[in-house]
Amino acid sequence: EAQVTQNPRYLITVTGKKLTVTCSQNMNHEYMSWYRQDPGLGLRQIYYSMNVEVTDKGDVPEGYKVSRKEKRNFPLILESPSPNQTSLYFCASSGTPGEKLFFGSGTQLSVL
Amino acid sequence: DQQVKQNSPSLSVQEGRISILNCDYTNSMFDYFLWYKKYPAEGPTFLISISSIKDKNEDGRFTVFLNKSAKHLSLHIVPSQPGDSAVYFCAAGGAGSYQLTFGKGTKLSVIP
Repeated sequence: EAQVTQNPRYLITVTGKKLTVTCSQNMNHEYMSWYRQDPGLGLRQIYYSMNVEVTDKGDVPEGYKVSRKEKRNFPLILESPSPNQTSLYFCASSGTPGEKLFFGSGTQLSVL
Repeated sequence: DQQVKQNSPSLSVQEGRISILNCDYTNSMFDYFLWYKKYPAEGPTFLISISSIKDKNEDGRFTVFLNKSAKHLSLHIVPSQPGDSAVYFCAAGGAGSYQLTFGKGTKLSVIP
């Protein structure tokens, strides 16, 4: 089954404790992206990647890092999480420009 | 500056009636438009799209209309069903681009 898999689904952590949210797609897609969803603000892009070793900032990159060492994986790294990073995070991928994005099921992160 | 706007945060419709969700955009370079549907605790799923060369695209109960001169698109759901209750995101992209710009979403409630 074609899918984007994120882990974990839920994560509670404390300020400053480094964490990684994993994302993997099995569709051989070149493009991958991370979004956060906050009430009243919709989906905002954090980082995206056009291909292996090619990443770029989205609209709200501060406090986040990403890497794209393999085509299928695109982890999101929070080196020193803060409470304002409490949010619902989505990973997405696409294989063709101009076509739809496939989204993962989301990761609900709470930073205390 | 918000390039894709969904001015109605919420909409309530009676079951069996028509739901009309609206979206406005400012960037005349947008070449394709998509609607995504999102249930709580799930990732957004693709619903329907339209290219800028068309003014209408239909898929079962869902129809998207595009008015390029007004920079406006709308999603019509006929007839509305309780299972349609979800948040709907409008998104737009440029020609040959993977990047999508999302609106803030409209929460549709279909009342039985």
